[in-house]
Amino acid sequence: AIQLTQSPSSLSASVGDRVTITCRASQGISSALAWYQQKAGNAPKPLIYDASSLESGVPSRFSGSGSGTDFTLTISSLQPEDFATYYCQQFNSYPFTFGPGTKVDIK
Amino acid sequence: EVQLLESGGGLVQPGGSLRLSCAASGFAFATHAMSWVRQAPGKGLEWVSVINGAADTTFYADSVEGRFTISRDNSKSTLYMQMDSPRAEDTAVYYCAKCRRTSCQMGGGFDFWGQGTLVTVSS
Repeated sequence: AIQLTQSPSSLSASVGDRVTITCRASQGISSALAWYQQKAGNAPKPLIYDASSLESGVPSRFSGSGSGTDFTLTISSLQPEDFATYYCQQFNSYPFTFGPGTKVDIK
Repeated sequence: EVQLLESGGGLVQPGGSLRLSCAASGFAFATHAMSWVRQAPGKGLEWVSVINGAADTTFYADSVEGRFTISRDNSKSTLYMQMDSPRAEDTAVYYCAKCRRTSCQMGGGFDFWGQGTLVTVSS
């Protein structure tokens, strides 16, 4: 099974900060990667698919990049509603593994 | 508007059985692969299983292979998960999720998720 690692596991940031989260796959997955945002008690919300395509309705401050084994989710200017946990997931092969998550909280 | 509504969760004894349902609406259900994802209390997301639109291809996580069975009824736009011989470690919120494209492996990830249903395995 393909393993996904995320770094950092958590971070503290201020409103307006630029935030970068990294997801690394144990083997190449082309661009078959998605990013989700999850707030406590809620279902995950899709943000990015195919590594860099922005989900409809998601603010443009979110962006994704990468291919192969290294991927990045960037929030260009952190907003109060962005404090949440972020997960990456690969769709290259079964099982469709998730990363362990990155929790973004308020500094 | 796409909607996914899970039901069937609750308390089940170890070794018992439980069937989860996910009622779908707002899209051509039969043309999309569907999946189950779970989240244990305080833990991360774990992919569980997927079924294609024709219901003739399924895949499972090793952790549930041989105990859980995914199925669908396209005439009712409903996805199911039959949980047999559940264990304490199967305690989680179970989400159904829609693949953006006909097959999840065509890329696109999950574009819609249900609100989840809690399964607690305990005696």
